[in-house]
Amino acid sequence: DTAVSQTPKYLVTQMGNDKSIKCEQNLGHDTMYWYKQDSKKFLKIMFSYNNKELIINETVPNRFSPKSPDKAHLNLHINSLELGDSAVYFCASSVLTSGGPYEQYFGPGTRLTVT
Amino acid sequence: KNQVEQSPQSLIILEGKNCTLQCNYTVSPFSNLRWYKQDTGRGPVSLTIMTFSENTKSNGRYTATLDADTKQSSLHITASQLSDSASYICVVSSNAGNMLTFGGGTRLMVKP
Repeated sequence: DTAVSQTPKYLVTQMGNDKSIKCEQNLGHDTMYWYKQDSKKFLKIMFSYNNKELIINETVPNRFSPKSPDKAHLNLHINSLELGDSAVYFCASSVLTSGGPYEQYFGPGTRLTVT
Repeated sequence: KNQVEQSPQSLIILEGKNCTLQCNYTVSPFSNLRWYKQDTGRGPVSLTIMTFSENTKSNGRYTATLDADTKQSSLHITASQLSDSASYICVVSSNAGNMLTFGGGTRLMVKP
């Protein structure tokens, strides 16, 4: 009954490869996010989708492309992986309401290592 | 530039002791402030959320305070347990609350 799940948990790949990370939430939330946690442990938002539409796109290389096939899924595809892409990537979801505050629920993270 | 700074970066305490973690922010406009607990290898889990009008909120042994005038917050942990060993992250939300600015966290280690 995991609320926000990500696969895989660990991903080791070589520079130049293309890889995808999948995220699914069973909370019925309408907003999903991708965050990157770097080696200094700062979490930074990359993308946010509301009802399958992109609403936030921070300064992220266009090698990163999110895809939301439905409200419960937000996948992250990365092309031409670079060493600097090594990090932990977190998916999260929340309910976007006119009131607030709302709560974000995070997945367990995917540790990406590019060699 | 929106920033959230936390101190100390790391802290070691003995089981049963109390501790206080600090957070200063320069996020504007301000919507709410959250404290998250992140266990090693896990995603962050929310402990408290406080809006502008709230100056204290408790969740079990965790008590958060907020001074919106000085833009400071603290997280007090009482009677620490080994399971409290984790990173504690201060997060400030701006405007509608959809944009979160994360602090770097305080790494707490509770020793027996």
